[in-house]
Order: sequence, then C-alpha cells, then structure tokens
Amino acid sequence: GAVVSQHPSRVICKSGTSVKIECRSLDFQATTMFWYRQFPKKSLMLMATSNEGSKATYEQGVEKDKFLINHASLTLSTLTVTSAHPEDSSFYICSASGGPAYNEQFFGPGTRLTVL
Amino acid sequence: AQKITQTQPGMFVQEKEAVTLDCTYDTSDQSYGLFWYKQPSSGEMIFLIYQGSYDEQNATEGRYSLNFQKARKSANLVISASQLGDSAMYFCAINSGGSNYKLTFGKGTLLTVNP
Repeated sequence: GAVVSQHPSRVICKSGTSVKIECRSLDFQATTMFWYRQFPKKSLMLMATSNEGSKATYEQGVEKDKFLINHASLTLSTLTVTSAHPEDSSFYICSASGGPAYNEQFFGPGTRLTVL
Repeated sequence: AQKITQTQPGMFVQEKEAVTLDCTYDTSDQSYGLFWYKQPSSGEMIFLIYQGSYDEQNATEGRYSLNFQKARKSANLVISASQLGDSAMYFCAINSGGSNYKLTFGKGTLLTVNP
C-alpha cells in the first residue's frame, strides 16, 4: 500500500520560533499533497492543497504567510509554521494523492506541535 | 460546497456485537467518493472503506461494510463483531472532482467497545 511519512512526530518549541514539518510519500509520486490541522476532539480542517511545482492553494481563513507550504518534488512537501505562538499548538496531518487510487488520499501519521 | 453530517458524537457497543455509525452527505456533484477513516488515540488516520457514487454494490472490507443509500444521501458504516481495538474516533468524508478531490470530513463519532 501507499505509505506517507511525517517528520517530526512531535515537536515542542518556544514562542516566536519557526517549525518545519516534512511530509514524504515513500512509495509513490504524490502529485497533490494536503495539509490538515486538528484540534483536540475535533475534526480535521483542511489548511491548504499543494501541487508539485506550483504555489499552494490555501483555504479561507488560513494565513499563507503564517503557514508556508512548499512542494518541491513529487515525494516531499513541507509546512513551516512561522513565528509560532501557543495558539498554533495543534496536531498537523498531511495526506498525499496520486497513488494507486487516483482520488484516494493517504495520510501521514501526524505531527503534534506544542508551542510554549 | 460539500458537507458531511455525523449525528452521533459518541456510541457504545458490546464486544462481538455489530454497530452502525451514521453519515449523511450533501453534494452537488454527480460523481463523488465516500470514505470512512478510523483515528485511534495515537492520531493516525486509518483508511477503512470507500464507496464510489456510481458503485451499485455496497462496499465491504472484512468486518466493515458501507450501507450506501444514494437517494437518502447516506453512507452508514457497519462494523460487525466489534473488538476492543475498534474503540476509536471514526470520520466519514467525501470528495469529488468538482472539489479538486479535497476531502470534507464530518465531526466524527467516538466509538467505545465495552468488554
């Protein structure tokens, strides 16, 4: 099956620092990657869609300067939370499509960000 | 815009019994896909089952089956012979070409399997 990895799985940082989260498709070429945010006991909220080689498309209300997304290759997308603050603490999950089923998304294991 | 409604915030079931998790959807697209995911406390999203809007037969994957009623716009998940390891959050989701295959999730149902 299609495998997506995320790194790091858990990160704690000080307020004001930037944090980069990597999302990799290990055994397929991901033409599209999605980034989600999930608050405790809540559903997944789509933040942005990124296609390889082009700028990410952000959902309404998501600050593009705050959450920088780069999809430099068909196997790697990165989400950088710039100048993180405690309210950015959340669970961030990526998914990738382009695998065996064209409309199916394969999810990474998630990254838990805690900003002190 | 697409929408998923899961009306059961929490459900309880006895081990070895079957349970149905409800999901209704709304979309203006003719072609769409419906998904169910399981999210244990570890946080990973585990794909369970998929139903295409043009699939005439209800999807089945092991102990999971999807009761797809297109006219009612419902896609309920049935878990047979529940196991303690089935305790988790369950999300129903929809996507379509019209939404660039972006998944729209419901609020989820927390399933607890009692021994």
